[in-house]
Amino acid sequence: SAVISQKPSRDICQRGTSLTIQCQVDSQVTMMFWYRQQPGQSLTLIATANQGSEATYESGFVIDKFPISRPNLTFSTLTVSNMSPEDSSIYLCSVAQGSTEAFFGQGTRLTVV
Amino acid sequence: GQQLNQSPQSMFIQEGEDVSMNCTSSSIFNTWLWYKQEPGEGPVLLIALYKAGELTSNGRLTAQFGITRKDSFLNISASIPSDVGIYFCAGNTGANSKLTFGKGITLSVRP
Repeated sequence: SAVISQKPSRDICQRGTSLTIQCQVDSQVTMMFWYRQQPGQSLTLIATANQGSEATYESGFVIDKFPISRPNLTFSTLTVSNMSPEDSSIYLCSVAQGSTEAFFGQGTRLTVV
Repeated sequence: GQQLNQSPQSMFIQEGEDVSMNCTSSSIFNTWLWYKQEPGEGPVLLIALYKAGELTSNGRLTAQFGITRKDSFLNISASIPSDVGIYFCAGNTGANSKLTFGKGITLSVRP
């Protein structure tokens, strides 16, 4: 399986600011996804990061709030914009490589104060 | 939309006991996956199931893909303290397709 590194692993941010989370994979992967996991909850898909084109967002998530970049097949970023305390969550990068299995990074634990 | 149901939310067992977790869906999935998440970490894939009726083991873990393709179970035998964590089931309908996750079951193991 691919090795997935996320940065930062955690952060405490002021409301109204933005945070960009990076996801680096040690091999080229077909699919990259971003999930949110609110405290004590399951994983919710935010969007599919598409290489060379705009991300595909799930219902309830918009590009202005969660802009995503994927400049190549090994790297993606998720920005959480204009943060509020409700954005406090774990944000997870996930990859799939032509299979039905998905692998996850260790997550970014975000606290907004 | 598709939903996966896992219950109960929490399970408490004694070290050495076996435990079984079930996951059901109202719709058909082509792949079932079981993940474990420990505090401060991302989910780690435990077992992947690809065919209806498939029974797969990974050490003390055994999982089965239900015949109807609408359910799966995970068994942990002879539990140990490091089995503590949140166990998620997930399903998808094909390669590179989105995963749908259950709400997870938090497992506690008493020494």
